[in-house]
Amino acid sequence: TQLLEQSPQFLSIQEGENLTVYCNSSSVFSSLQWYRQEPGEGPVLLVTVVTGGEVKKLKRLTFQFGDARKDSSLHITAAQPGDTGLYLCAGAQGGANNLFFGTGTRLTVIP
Amino acid sequence: GAGVSQSPRYKVAKRGQDVALRCDPISGHVSLFWYQQALGQGPEFLTYFQNEAQLDKSGLPSDRFFAERPEGSVSTLKIQRTQQEDSAVYLCASSLGGLGYTGELFFGEGSRLTVL
Repeated sequence: TQLLEQSPQFLSIQEGENLTVYCNSSSVFSSLQWYRQEPGEGPVLLVTVVTGGEVKKLKRLTFQFGDARKDSSLHITAAQPGDTGLYLCAGAQGGANNLFFGTGTRLTVIP
Repeated sequence: GAGVSQSPRYKVAKRGQDVALRCDPISGHVSLFWYQQALGQGPEFLTYFQNEAQLDKSGLPSDRFFAERPEGSVSTLKIQRTQQEDSAVYLCASSLGGLGYTGELFFGEGSRLTVL
């Protein structure tokens, strides 16, 4: 059972388009992370958000943590083929040190 | 090494065989995690170690799964009497801090297990 649901599950877009990936839960998280995973490799951290309403920008990627700390979004502007991969959100609860991963969004950017 | 190392990268087992998957975390990292990842899905938590102590094993799917980290460094995930539903990628991750620290997890490349 995964606490975090991501949508869409699959996304295929043309180079240059914008997109948003959503990560939703009914649970509250003390922090939320976004990872990107490429085939045959482990996930790699993109960002950590810890405050409700927080917005972080990483070049063309914008991450937002919901006010209630139950949801998050990832917006990519002018997608490039190099953005292709599996995007995973992951939440931490309270003092626990394990991260709960979302169901994943597989993004394909077509040149 | 500089990163988390897992071996073997690929393992094919016949149903009923025992397998052992090894994880060598980043030196000095206190926390070590094992995750199971089905194809195209997000990783699912299996177990967590802080140094040599296994503090959470709530994600282990059955008593056929066993993990250890006897000296607080290298960890082994053992699966006894493998079943077809055990086929997945097993990811190991380490992080610098201990309990309550929610910093970055550094993942290995995973061990892909296929049970025939």
